[in-house]
Amino acid sequence: GAVVSQHPSRVICKSGTSVKIECRSLDFQATTMFWYRQFPKQSLMLMATSNEGSKATYEQGVEKDKFLINHASLTLSTLTVTSAHPEDSSFYICSATSSGGYGETQYFGPGTRLLVL
Amino acid sequence: TQLLEQSPQFLSIQEGENLTVYCNSSSVFSSLQWYRQEPGEGPVLLVTVVTGGEVKKLKRLTFQFGDARKDSSLHITAAQPGDTGLYLCAGGSFGSWGKLQFGAGTQVVVTP
Repeated sequence: GAVVSQHPSRVICKSGTSVKIECRSLDFQATTMFWYRQFPKQSLMLMATSNEGSKATYEQGVEKDKFLINHASLTLSTLTVTSAHPEDSSFYICSATSSGGYGETQYFGPGTRLLVL
Repeated sequence: TQLLEQSPQFLSIQEGENLTVYCNSSSVFSSLQWYRQEPGEGPVLLVTVVTGGEVKKLKRLTFQFGDARKDSSLHITAAQPGDTGLYLCAGGSFGSWGKLQFGAGTQVVVTP
């Protein structure tokens, strides 16, 4: 149980284009999903918290107009990197919790490797 | 912001040796999770501890949550090459709606 998928697993795009990454909870309903960014050999950096049916909450320093997050259903959240540039190249990982509240375990997707040329 | 300090940053040991990774904070957490991550993949949950003083065992892995719920440790007995990976601790807080504070991670390398 508690399986989270991400698609695509890898994407290469040209500078200036937009890229959409999907995060799905396959066997549970995710009231909250999280989006992280990870640089090589570093820990996870939280970008935003996404609750179904409401606007995402972005962490300080994360541009909400550049990283568009939509959480349209209890099993799907999407992250769109708009007008991507080489500095946006990174490993993006989503996670999901099965209910709101404190201290809930997060289940992670396999990640999406983005390379912007 | 609650900070989770993880140590050591890097650990290289021979197969069969034991190792311990520490996660410390000055803040109280409602829960503490340990994850292992391999290159190019997402973190995989190893354990969640929620009670102060709790000890959980998962085969050769032993997890402990401090009595005051401010620190935790992960001990691996007789490490194997398959234990190689980035170990991450993450703390949850009351009222944070599932948001976790991650440690910087410990890269463990177990050589045959």
